[in-house]
Amino acid sequence: GENVEQHPSTLSVQEGDSAVIKCTYSDSASNYFPWYKQELGKGPQLIIDIRSNVGEKKDQRIAVTLNKTAKHFSLHITETQPEDSAVYFCAASGSSNTGKLIFGQGTTLQVKP
Amino acid sequence: EAEVAQSPRYKITEKSQAVAFWCDPISGHATLYWYRQILGQGPELLVQFQDESVVDDSQLPKDRFSAERLKGVDSTLKIQPAELGDSAMYLCASSLAPVNTGELFFGEGSRLTVL
Repeated sequence: GENVEQHPSTLSVQEGDSAVIKCTYSDSASNYFPWYKQELGKGPQLIIDIRSNVGEKKDQRIAVTLNKTAKHFSLHITETQPEDSAVYFCAASGSSNTGKLIFGQGTTLQVKP
Repeated sequence: EAEVAQSPRYKITEKSQAVAFWCDPISGHATLYWYRQILGQGPELLVQFQDESVVDDSQLPKDRFSAERLKGVDSTLKIQPAELGDSAMYLCASSLAPVNTGELFFGEGSRLTVL
């Protein structure tokens, strides 16, 4: 079935360092790949997304790369700040084309001051 | 800024009791989703509505869960009877169109604890 694997499950970095979170997906028909940030007690919030016709997208300190051949996509956060500490989820669109998202298991990012 | 509203934020119930969660999506959003998020895991889709019609409920445990969106606006998710394994965060989300063409906006969720 449709599956999204996310690694690592936890990540601790020093303030100012970069953080990278990686995901793989199983369904070759997936064409939309969003990343969500979830702070404690809140719902997930979209931070960046990429579609299958693009290989890379950047928004200030965050960037996402997509390798459709390998079915990999990654989130890169540069110059991390303590407020980046949260749980990050990757997701991929399901093959049903209804808009269903399949989420990864999440990565808890801790940025130490 | 428009938000997805959910209530209650927290619910504690005993097993075999009935519970209900309510969601009011962002005005004008035709697509509404209910996701379940078990602690330490990613959200999992339970049911998706397009206006008042169910588009996908393949992962909804229909023997105990039901969902409706009668007028194509707000929605209710019901569990009866609740079981210990239902303890989770229930997230509602909405989008202007199916997510392949637009952003998914989540509410703050309803946290259910079944004792």
